Formats: sequence, structure tokens, C-alpha cells
Amino acid sequence: AQSVTQPDIHITVSEGASLELRCNYSYGATPYLFWYVQSPGQGLQLLLKYFSGDTLVQGIKGFEAEFKRSQSSFNLRKPSVHWSDAAEYFCAVGAGYGGSQGNLIFGKGTKLSVKP
Amino acid sequence: DGGITQSPKYLFRKEGQNVTLSCEQNLNHDAMYWYRQDPGQGLRLIYYSQIVNDFQKGDIAEGYSVSREKKESFPLTVTSAQKNPTAFYLCASSTTRGTGDEKLFFGSGTQLSVL
Repeated sequence: AQSVTQPDIHITVSEGASLELRCNYSYGATPYLFWYVQSPGQGLQLLLKYFSGDTLVQGIKGFEAEFKRSQSSFNLRKPSVHWSDAAEYFCAVGAGYGGSQGNLIFGKGTKLSVKP
Repeated sequence: DGGITQSPKYLFRKEGQNVTLSCEQNLNHDAMYWYRQDPGQGLRLIYYSQIVNDFQKGDIAEGYSVSREKKESFPLTVTSAQKNPTAFYLCASSTTRGTGDEKLFFGSGTQLSVL
């Protein structure tokens, strides 16, 4: 069965420091992979997605992620964190029922706190 | 502006009561979804609909019901059979081009609590 693991429940980084959020997935075929961000009490916003091609994908807000098939990973990175990046981040893999990626399997999330 | 509107923002349910959460979208999307979010649990799919008058159960459909009479609307009813309804409920929509790269758009959620 498909699954997504985000090993870190909570991460704190200093403003201006680099960030890497880990995501490991289990999926039989080539996965559709996503990173979403959620501010408190709000819905989720898509940061970036990977379907095929270049394994390093660029997203919004200066985020990028790298797909590593050998490690079943899709880690999210940002070179310099801003205080406004404090939020919860979700990795997801597309189950792809009927081609629709709405049936996503989400990880449990990583909460990011940013120190001044 | 196009988007998804969920209402109310906060909802309280008494024991034995059914409550309905509203979700409306003006994005002209065919597909709509309901997710439940519990702290530390991520999102779990309750129901989804890819076309009007049709919907399918997700992973945790027990105690919930939905309807899809209009393309724009996908209300979720939390019935008295749902014994642990306290959660944050998120509605989402997407196109269904069948390419797998459709982007999910989320509403801002409804927090349901039991009195």
C-alpha cells in the first residue's frame, strides 16, 4: 500500500538558515509527489510537484525539492528561511485514481518554527 | 476572484445531532473532495466526487454523507453515527483532465467541535 512518512514532527530553524524537510514514500510505480504548506487555521497551498523529468523541481516562495528514486525520498529545501515560512508542511503522493490526483496520500506533516 | 468557500468557519455539534458543512467553488472544477484533519495525523479522505450526481467513499467515510447536485457545491453532513467528529474539515477541488497533474485547490476549512 502507498504511504508517506515525514520523520520530523517539529523542526525549529533560525531565520536565514537553510532548511531541509524530509519525506519518504512507498509506491509501486513512478509516483506523483507533492509538497503543500498550511498556515494555522487555513487550507493547504501547493508549493511544488514532481511527475517526471528533471528530479530537482522548483516551487513557489523559493522552495525546491529533489526526487531520489533510489532512496524513495522527496525532500524539501530552502537556502534561507524567512519568518513567514513558519507553517506546517505536508508531503503527499498521488494515488491517481482515474487520473485525478485528488486522492492524495498525505504524510502527517512537519511543523516548522522560525527563530528570530 | 475564483476559489473555494467553506462555511461556517467554526461549528458546534450537540450529541445526536447531524450538522452540514458547506463547500462552494467557482473554479469550474469537476472534482471535489472532503478531507478530515486531526492534529498530528495529516489529512484523510472522506468522500470525493468527480462529476455531478456521483461520488465515492474515501478512506474514512463511515458516519458521513455527501451530495453533489450541482457542480459548484459539495456539502458534507456529519451524522450522529460519527462518534468522534471533532476535527478540522477541508474541502478541495481539482480539474479531471486525467493526466494526474491536476492541482488541488483547498478551502480555508471548518473547525467542528462537539458540545
